[in-house]
Amino acid sequence: DAGVTQSPTHLIKTRGQHVTLRCSPISGHKSVSWYQQVLGQGPQFIFQYYEKEERGRGNFPDRFSARQFPNYSSELNVNALLLGDSALYLCASSLVDNQPQHFGDGTRLSIL
Amino acid sequence: GESVGLHLPTLSVQEGDNSIINCAYSNSASDYFIWYKQESGKGPQFIIDIRSNMDKRQGQRVTVLLNKTVKHLSLQIAATQPGDSAVYFCAENTPGGGNKLTFGTGTQLKVEL
Repeated sequence: DAGVTQSPTHLIKTRGQHVTLRCSPISGHKSVSWYQQVLGQGPQFIFQYYEKEERGRGNFPDRFSARQFPNYSSELNVNALLLGDSALYLCASSLVDNQPQHFGDGTRLSIL
Repeated sequence: GESVGLHLPTLSVQEGDNSIINCAYSNSASDYFIWYKQESGKGPQFIIDIRSNMDKRQGQRVTVLLNKTVKHLSLQIAATQPGDSAVYFCAENTPGGGNKLTFGTGTQLKVEL
């Protein structure tokens, strides 16, 4: 069975640009969450979506937004990129809340 | 690929020995806990979970212990193998927070031959 898939795997952008990252959850999983992982640290929660509705938001600025589609795939958008946005962006899916979240291998975003 | 283990606490063990990785969690209301393994260039991989109504759970070669009194989790890996080398994170889920996981400081496990 396919796990969580994310695209692209790597991305290089410059300051001020915007970016869209994509995630396909495990088949049947309705909950998708996004995390940011800076080198040397654990993942930090950004958003959770369940049945296309935002269910949670972490301590990130409004430049970060996301959405979930009817097929439960999801996009993370980041506007006005800053150097500090350079990180590994991880998507995780689970059947419902409070069930194991399974992660993709992430998108490595580098800001120049 | 680059390591996610820079500046992390490191545990070095001999192949075949047992490993114990510890984690302190922050919220006494948390009721669900997960251990993840992260290899270089990969996303976190689910290892084992435990709910707050349990104090011990066993999987294949792994055991998780939960001490709610002192807000402490541990992951025990039996007969550690070179393939176990990775960064290990504990994560907690707090009621009312939806599906938000709060991750602890990771531990780099190095298995020496």
